[in-house]
Amino acid sequence: GAVVSQHPSRVICKSGTSVKIECRSLDFQATTMFWYRQFPKQSLMLMATSNEGSKATYEQGVEKDKFLINHASLTLSTLTVTSAHPEDSSFYICSAPPRDTTNSPLHFGNGTRLTVT
Amino acid sequence: GESVGLHLPTLSVQEGDNSIINCAYSNSASDYFIWYKQESGKGPQFIIDIRSNMDKRQGQRVTVLLNKTVKHLSLQIAATQPGDSAVYFCAEPFGGKLIFGQGTELSVKP
Repeated sequence: GAVVSQHPSRVICKSGTSVKIECRSLDFQATTMFWYRQFPKQSLMLMATSNEGSKATYEQGVEKDKFLINHASLTLSTLTVTSAHPEDSSFYICSAPPRDTTNSPLHFGNGTRLTVT
Repeated sequence: GESVGLHLPTLSVQEGDNSIINCAYSNSASDYFIWYKQESGKGPQFIIDIRSNMDKRQGQRVTVLLNKTVKHLSLQIAATQPGDSAVYFCAEPFGGKLIFGQGTELSVKP
């Protein structure tokens, strides 16, 4: 089945530094990928939609200059958390639809646990 | 609909019992629903889906029921096992995106 790989699984960084998270579709091409954030004991919140060959679209309240998204190819999207602060500590999860989202379920990566000290 | 900021409700069941997890949705035009299971520290894993032209769909030990009249979705797990302990989310596509419900944390007691 379709597999989405996310790297790293855990990262600890100092406040003020930037962290890059990679999301790869391993056996299918994804023109669209989605980035979610999840705080402890809460649901997944959609942050942005990554579009291959064009700019990402961000959900309301998500700072595009802080969360840089680059969909470099049909199999790779990256999320860079710039100038990270402790409040950015969270579980970041990417996903990709093998086909149109409305007709098939998204496949998710295993998430990245970001801790900002 | 989206449930950011709300803490997960919990459901505790005895091993071997059946579990029922509920989900309400708000968009009456929604025509596709998905249930995901999320184990601690992992991404969501697809369990089962259902389209609005169906009221019920069965998988292996899981059944999803859809009541469009009251906009309610439920996931039934038969003979719940310790490995079923996880957080369960319903999700629906909306505007080309997948929006997650609040989720329910299922705890299975041995």
